[in-house]
Amino acid sequence: LAKTTQPISMDSYEGQEVNITCSHNNIATNDYITWYQQFPSQGPRFIIQGYKTKVTNEVASLFIPADRKSSTLSLPRVSLSDTAVYYCLVGDKGTDKLIFGTGTRLQVFP
Amino acid sequence: NAGVTQTPKFQVLKTGQSMTLQCAQDMNHEYMSWYRQDPGMGLRLIHYSVGAGITDQGEVPNGYNVSRSTTEDFPLRLLSAAPSQTSVYFCASSSNGEAGKQFFGPGTRLTVL
Repeated sequence: LAKTTQPISMDSYEGQEVNITCSHNNIATNDYITWYQQFPSQGPRFIIQGYKTKVTNEVASLFIPADRKSSTLSLPRVSLSDTAVYYCLVGDKGTDKLIFGTGTRLQVFP
Repeated sequence: NAGVTQTPKFQVLKTGQSMTLQCAQDMNHEYMSWYRQDPGMGLRLIHYSVGAGITDQGEVPNGYNVSRSTTEDFPLRLLSAAPSQTSVYFCASSSNGEAGKQFFGPGTRLTVL
């Protein structure tokens, strides 16, 4: 299985924009890219999903370049409650299985 | 809708014991999956199913069995528990057309002594 990698951790302050990247060199051709948020002792929660270009919803934006080998989750104006671990989820081209990225721990400071 | 439910919430086993973790969903989702999450680590796919009667292995299937006799239920069986299986187990479901958009259960925290 090809590894789907993310930065281990990021720090930010309240009100700032945060961009978290995911590298997925072996993404399956037809699969979407999905991002999740996870708080301690809880299951992951869906944030946003996209296939290409840009997707925006009420909480985040997702940027996907034309080659789809990476994606960037953008959180506008983060607050303390955005402190969590963020994961990308993509289909692996070799196995066609859905595999989570390594996760990014975001810490938001006041 | 209850969404995805998992039982038990907590379990302690001795090495060599077997048990079944239960997972059920009431959203009529075809796709169901099991993940394990070791302390401070990410989620690894154990087994998944794209519909009743169809299962397949994930990244870390050894030591686990699954079956899918109904759309609603997807139990995970530990055949002979080992300390290395101490982890939090999450079950998830989604529609096949949106397999990436999964709904997760609250998890089962398993300790193997």
